[in-house]
Amino acid sequence: AQSVTQLDSQVPVFEEAPVELRCNYSSSVSVYLFWYVQYPNQGLQLLLKYLSGSTLVKGINGFEAEFNKSQTSFHLRKPSVHISDTAEYFCAALIKAAGNKLTFGGGTRVLVKP
Amino acid sequence: ETGVTQSPTHLIKTRGQQVTLRCSSQSGHNTVSWYQQALGQGPQFIFQYYREEENGRGNFPPRFSGLQFPNYSSELNVNALELDDSALYLCASSPGLALGRPHIQYFGAGTRLSVL
Repeated sequence: AQSVTQLDSQVPVFEEAPVELRCNYSSSVSVYLFWYVQYPNQGLQLLLKYLSGSTLVKGINGFEAEFNKSQTSFHLRKPSVHISDTAEYFCAALIKAAGNKLTFGGGTRVLVKP
Repeated sequence: ETGVTQSPTHLIKTRGQQVTLRCSSQSGHNTVSWYQQALGQGPQFIFQYYREEENGRGNFPPRFSGLQFPNYSSELNVNALELDDSALYLCASSPGLALGRPHIQYFGAGTRLSVL
């Protein structure tokens, strides 16, 4: 069975500081990987995705993530956060041969402090 | 703005009642998935419809059912509501294989259901 683990439930960070959100997945088969952001009282917005190719993927709002197959990780980073980055972030995996079912991690709440 | 719209935005029901939630997919998307997001948790896959047929189901009981219509809009029906059904219900649509990106899901803003 596939699972996604987000190691930090909350990450407080000061404005303009860097942030890293950790995500590990477990799957014996190839997966696609995604990061979504959820602002308060809203749905999920796709930040970035890894489908194939370069292991470093860049997304919207200055976020990037690196796919590491040997460590089964897909950590999200931003070099300098803004107050507006305060939100919940979800890592998700999709098994390539099993349709479009996304398996989500439990989420990481990022609180950016001035 | 993903082009996926859900209605209603909020809903209050009592235990034992039935509820129908609606989703309008983004134009050209023939696959729709439904997810349940309990408070403080990540979304959980309920089921998926592709061209009006169920195409995968998560670990949810049969009282959770769905429909997809010829225009690819969709409904989620929940019978015999329980207190634990209180959650945000998210709909996501995906483009078909012909558009080359079948695995990208675009989410609506969700329907928040409260069961009292």
